[in-house]
Amino acid sequence: NAGVMQNPRHLVRRRGQEARLRCSPMKGHSHVYWYRQLPEEGLKFMVYLQKENIIDESGMPKERFSAEFPKEGPSILRIQQVVRGDSAAYFCASSQMGGGMDTEAFFGQGTRLTVV
Amino acid sequence: GENVEQHPSTLSVQEGDSAVIKCTYSDSASNYFPWYKQELGKGPQLIIDIRSNVGEKKDQRIAVTLNKTAKHFSLHITETQPEDSAVYFCAASIGGGSQGNLIFGKGTKLSVKP
Repeated sequence: NAGVMQNPRHLVRRRGQEARLRCSPMKGHSHVYWYRQLPEEGLKFMVYLQKENIIDESGMPKERFSAEFPKEGPSILRIQQVVRGDSAAYFCASSQMGGGMDTEAFFGQGTRLTVV
Repeated sequence: GENVEQHPSTLSVQEGDSAVIKCTYSDSASNYFPWYKQELGKGPQLIIDIRSNVGEKKDQRIAVTLNKTAKHFSLHITETQPEDSAVYFCAASIGGGSQGNLIFGKGTKLSVKP
């Protein structure tokens, strides 16, 4: 039973390029969450998605960042025109249900984005 | 905005001693409080959680307590072992919403010396 799968594990982009981060939730999970972690910091919530719907994007910057979770395939976090400040570890988590239901969220191993 | 404060930021104990990490939260609507362990280069791993209708929960050497009135919760690790060394994060659910929608503390780096 595979856990939350994120790829790539490491991603290097030059300033101005686009970064695409992928997350496949655990089998049977339909809720996905993206978090960003800066060095020596806790995780910051970015966005919460269900299949084909964005539920809460209050933590995601309004510009250059977007996320999707299509009916088929992984969830994608997309960062356009990356800047050095986007360098961080990006973690995806998934849960079976949302809205306060009694299920835990499990995290993937993260994608470490470095902008040079 | 809502936040979670976590103390201490670093904690060093001798093998076999107990370790206690404390967190406070600000959102009265938070009803789910997980603790995650993160090893270097890896993702956070859920080790224990507690919901607002429970005051204490224990799983072998790990226990968590919750005081809703005071808005604080604590992680207790007894008989610590070197493999317990990691960064520990507390978190609180945002409002009464999904248990994946969390506010995290800044972490406690626990070092267990053999």
